Parts: sequence; structure tokens; C-alpha cells
Amino acid sequence: AQKVTQAQTEISVVEKEDVTLDCVYETRDTTYYLFWYKQPPSGELVFLIRRNSFDEQNEISGRYSWNFQKSTSSFNFTITASQVVDSAVYFCALSRNYGGATNKLIFGTGTLLAVQP
Amino acid sequence: DAMVIQNPRYQVTQFGKPVTLSCSQTLNHNVMYWYQQKSSQAPKLLFHYYDKDFNNEADTPDNFQSRRPNTSFCFLDIRSPGLGDAAMYLCATSRASGYSYEQYFGPGTRLTVT
Repeated sequence: AQKVTQAQTEISVVEKEDVTLDCVYETRDTTYYLFWYKQPPSGELVFLIRRNSFDEQNEISGRYSWNFQKSTSSFNFTITASQVVDSAVYFCALSRNYGGATNKLIFGTGTLLAVQP
Repeated sequence: DAMVIQNPRYQVTQFGKPVTLSCSQTLNHNVMYWYQQKSSQAPKLLFHYYDKDFNNEADTPDNFQSRRPNTSFCFLDIRSPGLGDAAMYLCATSRASGYSYEQYFGPGTRLTVT
């Protein structure tokens, strides 16, 4: 079965703290993609990163970094020096091909991050 | 800027009164998706179009229909909204339906059913 688990329902930090959002996935596929999306209070899901199953290199983009470890089936997201604007719900998602032209995202339940000033 | 636009942002309808939500895109993407997202839950895929080919999720109620008259526009029709259909409806697009392609989301339409 395909599944994404985000065990942290809510996290609250104070501005400038570092915070890590956990994501654990399950899949039997050998080829798959993982994504992180941000959903601020306005509602729109904003694409943050895509990682394929063959690329385990960590990625850094400004204050954001991602750690992908196939051995533990995890794709964790760290925000360094958090800011109030980082307050949002963050979704981790797994994408698989269902054959032919069909692609589906399997979302985790999301982590609500609240950054206090 | 290329983008995904949803109108209206907020929609109030009465129980049983048909409602249509619209989505347009300037990204020229092949695929358009409709998701339903209830409070504190993950988005749930209702259906998607690959060009003109319609793909319905097995558990999407018959009450939900969709139309895609051209590449740029896609509509979600709810024939007889119930109280349980109150939710955020998100439209998304992707360049192709290959599983490597990220989806780009619109701002959503929040539907209230009275």
C-alpha cells in the first residue's frame, strides 16, 4: 500500500528557532517521487520541492533543507531560523504512476507550523 | 505571470441548489485536477483530465461532475450540494501526467452550504 505519514500534527516554535517536519512514506515501487507543499492561511498549496527515488542527495534552498533517506523511508524538511511567514500547513506527498498516463499524489495529513514572534 | 485561477474564492449555496466552480490556467498544462479539502484534512482527489480524457476517482460521488471545454478552463459542477459537501475545492494543473511532474494549485474556492 502507498501511504504518507506526518506524525506531527502541530508544531509551535518561536521565531529564529530551527524546526524539522517529519515525513515517512510507504511504497513498494522502486521508482517514485516525493514532494513537499506549503499551504498558508490563504489556502493555495505552494510547491516547494520534488525529489525522485534515485536521488538521495540532500537539498538546500535558502533557509529550507530536505533530508531524503531511503533506508528509513523518510523525507524530512528543516526550516532554519524560522520566520512568522513560515506559519502554514506543510504537506508531504508521494507520487506514483498507476499505469498509462495516470499520476496521483498521495498526501500526508499535514503538519501545522505556527511560528510565534 | 502564468498561474492557476479559481473563481469565485468564496461561494455560498443552498442545500440542493446546483453550483459550478471554475478554474482557468495560463500554464498551458495538459492535466487539470479537482481536489476536495475538508477542514484539517489532506486534499482528496475527485477527478482529473488529461487533455480531454476524463478520469474519475472510484469513490467520487455521482453528485460531482466536471467539464473541460478547452485546455485553459475546467469546471466542477455539484448537482445537489449537501451539508457534507462544504469544503475547500482546489484546482491544480501539471505539465503532463507523468508522475515526476509537480502539480500547481490555484487559491481554492471555499464552498459553504446553508
